[in-house]
Amino acid sequence: AQSVSQHNHHVILSEAASLELGCNYSYGGTVNLFWYVQYPGQHLQLLLKYFSGDPLVKGIKGFEAEFIKSKFSFNLRKPSVQWSDTAEYFCAVIPIEYGNKLVFGAGTILRVKS
Amino acid sequence: DAGVTQSPTHLIKTRGQQVTLRCSPKSGHDTVSWYQQALGQGPQFIFQYYEEEERQRGNFPDRFSGHQFPNYSSELNVNALLLGDSALYLCASSLGGGSEAFFGQGTRLTVV
Repeated sequence: AQSVSQHNHHVILSEAASLELGCNYSYGGTVNLFWYVQYPGQHLQLLLKYFSGDPLVKGIKGFEAEFIKSKFSFNLRKPSVQWSDTAEYFCAVIPIEYGNKLVFGAGTILRVKS
Repeated sequence: DAGVTQSPTHLIKTRGQQVTLRCSPKSGHDTVSWYQQALGQGPQFIFQYYEEEERQRGNFPDRFSGHQFPNYSSELNVNALLLGDSALYLCASSLGGGSEAFFGQGTRLTVV
């Protein structure tokens, strides 16, 4: 089935540790790619997006993601996490040939220990 | 600049009843999409409205219907509520389709 997979549902890190959250999708055509974050009690917010061009995308709050077309992946990274990064992170894909809908992964809950 | 606003924030309904949820898009946006987020899952696409027409629909039954008004605001209606309809309903707006979507806080619907 066509889908978006996030590799870990729960991740626990200590402050200053490096973060990498995996995301793979199963659509073969052109895709727009997104990472959204939901902080406790807040709405979904866009962290970063990729439409075309440089496959290494920089977003807000020091996050970046790399699009690897051959691996159908769009992994999220941050070199050094902070306690305030505790949140749920969602990878999402718009498979252009299927219209304009966002297809989300199940989410990864990140807890950063201070 | 107001972002996406949804009302109400919480709602409790009885099985079999009907419910209407409302959404005002971010200023300047013309496209509204609705998503259902069950506990522990990512949001699932319900449908998208553009120019007052349903442009695309996800895998949801006809009990789920919607409307977009000339001012781009939107409603989501669910008829004959089931216990399984209990979820967080999210509205997202964008300028056209395929672009960055901005989300509201959601409406938490509980069906008892």
